[in-house]
Amino acid sequence: GNSVTQMEGPVTLSEEAFLTINCTYTATGYPSLFWYVQYPGEGLQLLLKATKADDKGSNKGFEATYRKETTSFHLEKGSVQVSDSAVYFCALSDLSDTDKLIFGTGTRLQVFP
Amino acid sequence: DTAVSQTPKYLVTQMGNDKSIKCEQNLGHDTMYWYKQDSKKFLKIMFSYNNKELIINETVPNRFSPKSPDKAHLNLHINSLELGDSAVYFCASRPGLAGLNTGELFFGEGSRLTVL
Repeated sequence: GNSVTQMEGPVTLSEEAFLTINCTYTATGYPSLFWYVQYPGEGLQLLLKATKADDKGSNKGFEATYRKETTSFHLEKGSVQVSDSAVYFCALSDLSDTDKLIFGTGTRLQVFP
Repeated sequence: DTAVSQTPKYLVTQMGNDKSIKCEQNLGHDTMYWYKQDSKKFLKIMFSYNNKELIINETVPNRFSPKSPDKAHLNLHINSLELGDSAVYFCASRPGLAGLNTGELFFGEGSRLTVL
């Protein structure tokens, strides 16, 4: 079945460091891909998305490119801030049932000043 | 105004009890969901409703019974609570029946259930 695999956390970085959080997926067809962010004590919020191969989603300095050949959607940011500390979830839309998002296990990012 | 609101935010109860979590969205969305997030942050869909009609029931024990009195509300009732039910339960919504390719989910802040 469809699934999403994320790198295990926590990822610990100093402020202004470069961030990569890996995400790979398994799906039949061409799902849409998403990154959601969960700040402490809050619900998930959509961070960015890409709906077809080679699309790049971007928001708040974060970017991710839909790579069909490697079935990946890695999240990157050039310079992280303390305020980026959160849990990041990669997700895909299930084409066999488009009413459902399948989430990865989440990766906790901790940024220290 | 909170777009998707859940009550209560925290719930501590004993095994065997029955409890409910309520969810309301003021976004005018047609589709609502319940997700369960376990202690390892793994997020899994439980139910979805579209305009009061059950669309997804993801192999959840029948101790869990969702109820949608109208399309703005989706409540979750849990009977005979077990230790393994301890989790954070998230309500979410999105507009329309269109596929998720262009849409996004709007999440509530979560309800943390602790079963002792």
